[in-house]
Amino acid sequence: SQQGEEDPQALSIQEGENATMNCSYKTSINNLQWYRQNSGRGLVHLILIRSNEREKHSGRLRVTLDTSKKSSSLLITASRAADTASYFCATDARNFGNEKLTFGTGTRLTIIP
Amino acid sequence: EPEVTQTPSHQVTQMGQEVILRCVPISNHLYFYWYRQILGQKVEFLVSFYNNEISEKSEIFDDQFSVERPDGSNFTLKIRSTKLEDSAMYFCASIQNEKLFFGSGTQLSVL
Repeated sequence: SQQGEEDPQALSIQEGENATMNCSYKTSINNLQWYRQNSGRGLVHLILIRSNEREKHSGRLRVTLDTSKKSSSLLITASRAADTASYFCATDARNFGNEKLTFGTGTRLTIIP
Repeated sequence: EPEVTQTPSHQVTQMGQEVILRCVPISNHLYFYWYRQILGQKVEFLVSFYNNEISEKSEIFDDQFSVERPDGSNFTLKIRSTKLEDSAMYFCASIQNEKLFFGSGTQLSVL
């Protein structure tokens, strides 16, 4: 598998339900980030979690990181139709300066009204 | 809120032609990037740029590709002789506090 692979590739849930997406990676990281992409648009940063953190919250988003398993999960609670988008994890193996984020393949999330 | 702007939003070109994709990164950012995304696939790193020179480039960024910051604001990606497989969405990005800020992309179609 490649650095940063999301699972599942596609997810459809009813509005109001929680959505969980997973990301696995292969190399050591400095931080892991999640981005959102609406169809045909650029990626928008959602949340960053550092390698020494295990969990982070931002509004309806909860991210966990397990460096021993080289995996992360993104939970979106109380989903809304507007959450329909593709979600990508990105790993950053470097410290400040000359970052190079490596993106995964993405999870296509569809929220059914 | 400051944003990364890209022009054009769509570019159609014939195979073998040169194209220049333009970007205006956020003004106080120092590192700039080009990524590309073939339809429905992963977002791939092409090149990073700092202090008017390439910091790193991927295997995709061969000698047909070049980047330039001709003045204090614009950041361009040039493809000298386009191939069919260059058809993709090209994203410019700049970074601050370890977070990438992306433009809306240029959809390049090579016919």
